[in-house]
Amino acid sequence: AQSVAQPEDQVNVAEGNPLTVKCTYSVSGNPYLFWYVQYPNRGLQFLLKYITGDNLVKGSYGFEAEFNKSQTSFHLKKPSALVSDSALYFCAVRDPYGDSNYQLIWGAGTKLIIKP
Amino acid sequence: DGGITQSPKYLFRKEGQNVTLSCEQNLNHDAMYWYRQDPGQGLRLIYYSQIVNDFQKGDIAEGYSVSREKKESFPLTVTSAQKNPTAFYLCASSISGAGGQPQHFGDGTRLSIL
Repeated sequence: AQSVAQPEDQVNVAEGNPLTVKCTYSVSGNPYLFWYVQYPNRGLQFLLKYITGDNLVKGSYGFEAEFNKSQTSFHLKKPSALVSDSALYFCAVRDPYGDSNYQLIWGAGTKLIIKP
Repeated sequence: DGGITQSPKYLFRKEGQNVTLSCEQNLNHDAMYWYRQDPGQGLRLIYYSQIVNDFQKGDIAEGYSVSREKKESFPLTVTSAQKNPTAFYLCASSISGAGGQPQHFGDGTRLSIL
């Protein structure tokens, strides 16, 4: 079955330190991968995506993510965390050639807390 | 500015009552979606529509109904058959239903039982 795992419910990072939010997936073929961020009582905002090409993709607010096909991972990273990065982060995957190619498969979310 | 508007922001449902959540987009997107968000569970797809006058059930459609009479609008009705409706409901849209296009989200409606 297709799935997305975000193994950490919460990640704590000191301001100014690098941050990583992990995502692994189980989808056959070449999936499309997405990261979204959600602030309290708000909708999700798109951060970045990987479709094809360079394994390192850059997105909004200084975030980047590295696609690793052999490890089936798509970890979100930022070189220097800001307190304002504190939010809930979701990884999502789409199998473009599957029966449900319209549907995004969502991870459960990781709460990122940046401490001053 | 283009975007997705959900209303109301907060909604309370009485026992046996149907309630309708509004979702309007001015992004000229063909595809629209309704998700339910519960703490620690991520997003679950209720219904989606790839074109006007057509929609399909998602993973948790029971107790919900939708219509898509206009491209801009995709209202969700939570019926009395939905026994556990308390959740945060998110509407989204995308240029098309498949491919690498990201989904754009509204700011949600929080539904609670009185």
